[in-house]
Amino acid sequence: ETGVTQTPRHLVMGMTNKKSLKCEQHLGHNAMYWYKQSAKKPLELMFVYSLEERVENNSVPSRFSPECPNSSHLFLHLHTLQPEDSALYLCASSQRTGMNTEAFFGQGTRLTVV
Amino acid sequence: GQQLNQSPQSMFIQEGEDVSMNCTSSSIFNTWLWYKQDPGEGPVLLIALYKAGELTSNGRLTAQFGITRKDSFLNISASIPSDVGIYFCAGQRIGSNTGKLIFGQGTTLQVKP
Repeated sequence: ETGVTQTPRHLVMGMTNKKSLKCEQHLGHNAMYWYKQSAKKPLELMFVYSLEERVENNSVPSRFSPECPNSSHLFLHLHTLQPEDSALYLCASSQRTGMNTEAFFGQGTRLTVV
Repeated sequence: GQQLNQSPQSMFIQEGEDVSMNCTSSSIFNTWLWYKQDPGEGPVLLIALYKAGELTSNGRLTAQFGITRKDSFLNISASIPSDVGIYFCAGQRIGSNTGKLIFGQGTTLQVKP
């Protein structure tokens, strides 16, 4: 069982669809993150949840809606996306104790918006 | 937004050669991390650095936290074909308390057998 599991691995959706990405971590961490990875761009942080509370939202459009029901699960709800939202969406988790910030990533969901 | 300058962007080397890549920032960081990403997978943590001047090894990999706290480098010795992938540096700025990591643009490594 891997530390951070994302489902689905691949998703193709139309611009009018509603879908959700799921992330589950089995590492006992207390913080979870969503990152977007587009071609030829650095990883972009989208959302940070610490102790199930959203602590950062990096000016992400409202068509992306995160949900963190508990410390092990994180969702990213998608609706009315645009083709430029096609990217690899990565979930990560970390144990926020002191200054340590080692983030462990899932395998990602490859999203294509058509 | 804040970015790390990672170089080189890509490298094509012969198996057995040593590799060096680095990251620089205009801000002071309290954490430097190095990740490797294989195609279609998420980044995997290779080395974590938390103190200025710290030098840490993980097998054939060695990374250092620069004395100025504004840079870090990663060396790979005696490269092998499975070293192929994209290497990312990531850091956390001094004063950040949200766990936010800033990533470099990545170094794509190709190894010729």
